Amino acid sequence: AQSVTQLGSHVSVSEGALVLLRCNYSSSVPPYLFWYVQYPNQGLQLLLKYTSAATLVKGINGFEAEFKKSETSFHLTKPSAHMSDAAEYFCAVSVGYGGSQGNLIFGKGTKLSVKP
Amino acid sequence: EPEVTQTPSHQVTQMGQEVILRCVPISNHLYFYWYRQILGQKVEFLVSFYNNEISEKSEIFDDQFSVERPDGSNFTLKIRSTKLEDSAMYFCASSEGANVLTFGAGSRLTVL
Repeated sequence: AQSVTQLGSHVSVSEGALVLLRCNYSSSVPPYLFWYVQYPNQGLQLLLKYTSAATLVKGINGFEAEFKKSETSFHLTKPSAHMSDAAEYFCAVSVGYGGSQGNLIFGKGTKLSVKP
Repeated sequence: EPEVTQTPSHQVTQMGQEVILRCVPISNHLYFYWYRQILGQKVEFLVSFYNNEISEKSEIFDDQFSVERPDGSNFTLKIRSTKLEDSAMYFCASSEGANVLTFGAGSRLTVL
């Protein structure tokens, strides 16, 4: 069965510091991987996605993630945190095909705090 | 930017009552979904809907749940007889093709 593990339910960084949010997945078939962000009282917004093309994926707001098959990881990074990055971040995997590709399995989420 | 809109944003109901959560997906999208998130837990897939029928559903989506696209714009989730454990945030999502979902802001359901 497919699964997603996000290490750290809460990460705190200083403004300007590196952001690293960890995600490991388990899948018996090539996965599609996603990072979503949720700001308070808002929906889940797609940050970036990996769909078997380039292993380094660039997303919105300066975030990027690298797919490492050998480590079954898809960690999210940003070189320099901004106060506006404070939100909850969700890693998700889709292993369905056709109409099942919308069946996403989410991690528990990591809440990012940014200190001034 | 097109968005998925959900109503109500918060609903409080008594156990055993029927609840309908409404969603307006993005107009040219073909796939529709419901997810839920119980407080402190993961976001979980409930059901996907394509071509006017359910394409996939999870174990959570039992006979108490139903979905409908009553017209060309709305997509609804009905819970026939709510239980305490149905209290959660319910997210609607839509996609043009498969796997790039746009989510709504959610409807918080509180069952007393």
